[in-house]
Amino acid sequence: SQQGEEDPQALSIQEGENATMNCSYKTSINNLQWYRQNSGRGLVHLILIRSNEREKHSGRLRVTLDTSKKSSSLLITASRAADTASYFCATDATSGSARQLTFGSGTQLTVLP
Amino acid sequence: DAGITQSPRHKVTETGTPVTLRCHQTENHRYMYWYRQDPGHGLRLIHYSYGVKDTDKGEVSDGYSVSRSKTEDFLLTLESATSSQTSVYFCAISLTGGGYEQYFGPGTRLTVT
Repeated sequence: SQQGEEDPQALSIQEGENATMNCSYKTSINNLQWYRQNSGRGLVHLILIRSNEREKHSGRLRVTLDTSKKSSSLLITASRAADTASYFCATDATSGSARQLTFGSGTQLTVLP
Repeated sequence: DAGITQSPRHKVTETGTPVTLRCHQTENHRYMYWYRQDPGHGLRLIHYSYGVKDTDKGEVSDGYSVSRSKTEDFLLTLESATSSQTSVYFCAISLTGGGYEQYFGPGTRLTVT
């Protein structure tokens, strides 16, 4: 079962605009991560936010976490064509012998030049 | 792709044949994972390893087995491939365990006819 669900499934914006993607999850987490996947490539880690943090920045990325609503958002400011990719949130859970990540189904972001 | 290679990168096989996918890392990370990615499902964990000869099942382990005889290699075997196993398979590694940042390989596209 998927822990994280991204919204919207697809987003198309003009270069220079901001892009916001949301992630909702169901159970308590220790941390939440965002990954990017360019077409035909593996996932690349973007940012990790811990359950006791509310906001985190990395370059043009801003992530917020609201544990009371079990939701997170990823904001990409001043988007570029190179930001075109799929974005996934991932939450951790302890199962078996190690903590595991559970990924959502992703938001496909298209940035038009 | 962070010192992770997957082989083969593409494979077409027939239903009922055995298939082995290989993941090789040069990072000396303890944890290794196999995921499959299908449209609308994000990434789903098949099996993972938390050390040499230490493995455990993930969410979608039926029909798959794994082995890890060396730190650097993690093998995924489909004993008798089925069409439902047509997918893109990703290997990932993590230094500190699945709840933290994971680094992904480039993926293997497997088609079972």
